[in-house]
Amino acid sequence: EDKVVQSPLSLVVHEGDTVTLNCSYEVTNFRSLLWYKQEKKAPTFLFMLTSSGIEKKSGRLSSILDKKELFSILNITATQTGDSAVYLCAVGNAGGTSYGKLTFGQGTILTVHP
Amino acid sequence: DAGVIQSPRHEVTEMGQEVTLRCKPISGHNSLFWYRQTMMRGLELLIYFNNNVPIDDSGMPEDRFSAKMPNASFSTLKIQPSEPRDSAVYFCASSLVAGFWSYEQYFGPGTRLTVT
Repeated sequence: EDKVVQSPLSLVVHEGDTVTLNCSYEVTNFRSLLWYKQEKKAPTFLFMLTSSGIEKKSGRLSSILDKKELFSILNITATQTGDSAVYLCAVGNAGGTSYGKLTFGQGTILTVHP
Repeated sequence: DAGVIQSPRHEVTEMGQEVTLRCKPISGHNSLFWYRQTMMRGLELLIYFNNNVPIDDSGMPEDRFSAKMPNASFSTLKIQPSEPRDSAVYFCASSLVAGFWSYEQYFGPGTRLTVT
């Protein structure tokens, strides 16, 4: 059974801090790893990673994948209160019968205090 | 594009009643996913479709739950009869799958279901 584990489960920081969120996975026929941000509504897509060692960046957020060690990290620099959310990691399978199915981790709750 | 559309946004019903949740995926997407989210269990995949065909319904909790996708632009998730433990936020998501490649899933706003 595919498995995605995120750590830490929760994190409290102050504005301006840098945080690193972790995601490890065990999945057959790995295709992609995705990060989502969930505030008090639906998850919104952040990044999709498919290749090891290539950093994806969007503003203060960046992410990288290590397919050998089966993990990914999401970095947020100079955190702001608006970064407070649940960050979800998900993994997609390759293979013709997966049809885009994702396996989600339990999420990391990030709280940024002013 | 309007994104994934779900209705209703909130539903409060009494135990034993039938509940129908609706979803319109993003135009051009060919895979559709129904999830349930609770504090205790997180985000759970209930069922998903590709080209309107159910692929895997192993996440459906029991026979009280059923889902249909009569065409590419509409899907329903039905609970009959509803129970208090069904209270959760139900999300619909869609994505484009082409061959062995699949793109990111986009989520609808969710339906918050409360069964009293």
